[in-house]
Amino acid sequence: RKEVEQDPGPFNVPEGATVAFNCTYSNSASQSFFWYRQDCRKEPKLLMSVYSSGNEDGRFTAQLNRASQYISLLIRDSKLSDSATYLCVVNINYQLIWGAGTKLIIKP
Amino acid sequence: NAGVMQNPRHLVRRRGQEARLRCSPMKGHSHVYWYRQLPEEGLKFMVYLQKENIIDESGMPKERFSAEFPKEGPSILRIQQVVRGDSAAYFCASSPGLGVRDIQYFGAGTRLSVL
Repeated sequence: RKEVEQDPGPFNVPEGATVAFNCTYSNSASQSFFWYRQDCRKEPKLLMSVYSSGNEDGRFTAQLNRASQYISLLIRDSKLSDSATYLCVVNINYQLIWGAGTKLIIKP
Repeated sequence: NAGVMQNPRHLVRRRGQEARLRCSPMKGHSHVYWYRQLPEEGLKFMVYLQKENIIDESGMPKERFSAEFPKEGPSILRIQQVVRGDSAAYFCASSPGLGVRDIQYFGAGTRLSVL
């Protein structure tokens, strides 16, 4: 079992819809969590940090469920510009473990 | 405050040549990470360095690849005797080393093409 697992997608979603991604992690000692986004042929950029049960930033909400060992990312009112690959990252013993990413395609 | 700077942005090498990729971390960051990304694949961790020390090189291929982060100057990822399979995007990230709240910031990457 991989340490961090994500559904690779792609998720094809109409503009304006709400979309949610899940990410599961295997190590219960994981201490902090992040979502990054990566556009095609660009570097990953930090989207949100998730330190406690969850947090919200505009249209984006990240939630953490330690008991079930997963984090989720919810995007409301999706825009064409949200099309990207979303990477789940878990800090385990001060090392960042990266998921393979979920590809999101927003269609007009 | 300049971000993570990588150069060159694009590098073309013939099989058997050496490739040197450079990474200057963000100001104040002493931790550097190198990742490789093959086309249509995810990021693969290669190596984690602090000044003059390799902390974790568990993702580095055993041969031809080496990395350093000297006391002065940028971090260097060196690939000797490149092969076509080395063609990829190589990303460098840096962080301030804040433990569990540490965040990595990425450079724009170096795209290596091996002919």
